Amino acid sequence: GENVEQHPSTLSVQEGDSAVIKCTYSDSASNYFPWYKQELGKRPQLIIDIRSNVGEKKDQRIAVTLNKTAKHFSLHITETQPEDSAVYFCAASKGFQKLVFGTGTRLLVSP
Amino acid sequence: DAGVTQSPTHLIKTRGQQVTLRCSPKSGHDTVSWYQQALGQGPQFIFQYYEEEERQRGNFPDRFSGHQFPNYSSELNVNALLLGDSALYLCASSWDSTTGELFFGEGSRLTVL
Repeated sequence: GENVEQHPSTLSVQEGDSAVIKCTYSDSASNYFPWYKQELGKRPQLIIDIRSNVGEKKDQRIAVTLNKTAKHFSLHITETQPEDSAVYFCAASKGFQKLVFGTGTRLLVSP
Repeated sequence: DAGVTQSPTHLIKTRGQQVTLRCSPKSGHDTVSWYQQALGQGPQFIFQYYEEEERQRGNFPDRFSGHQFPNYSSELNVNALLLGDSALYLCASSWDSTTGELFFGEGSRLTVL
């Protein structure tokens, strides 16, 4: 079945720096790749997603890139702020049904 | 517009007991999925319900069962609880269309002693 690996497990940056989180997936048939932000004790919230027919997508300070050949996708956050501190999960799925999540990245942005 | 609502928010059970968790999807959504999130881990797919039937299932034993009602709300039942069932159980709803986005509830935190 599908497997999603996520790195790094923890990431510490200074406010204003950029942060990059990387994921790889195993099933070449996967066609939907969302990213979720989960604050402590809260529900996962979708922050950005990308479909397999697109190589890059940007929404203000957040961008996601997808390399289908390498089966690799990444989340880029620019100009990080303390409120960006949270756990970020990547996920992959075929046809928007069963999401397979990565193991998460704990991002800490220091003022 | 209410989002996805789950109940109870917290509960404590002992090994061998049974538990029922409930979920009401976001208005307009007809598909409900359940995920288990162990501490420090990513959510893991349990199963998905659409039109009152289980459409897809993850790698969970038969102790985990579910139901969807005509109003699209759903229940997750876990029998013969094990210590390892302690987790946050997340319900997510979606439109059965090409949008794909899942809306998660705040979850039910189950502790098995």
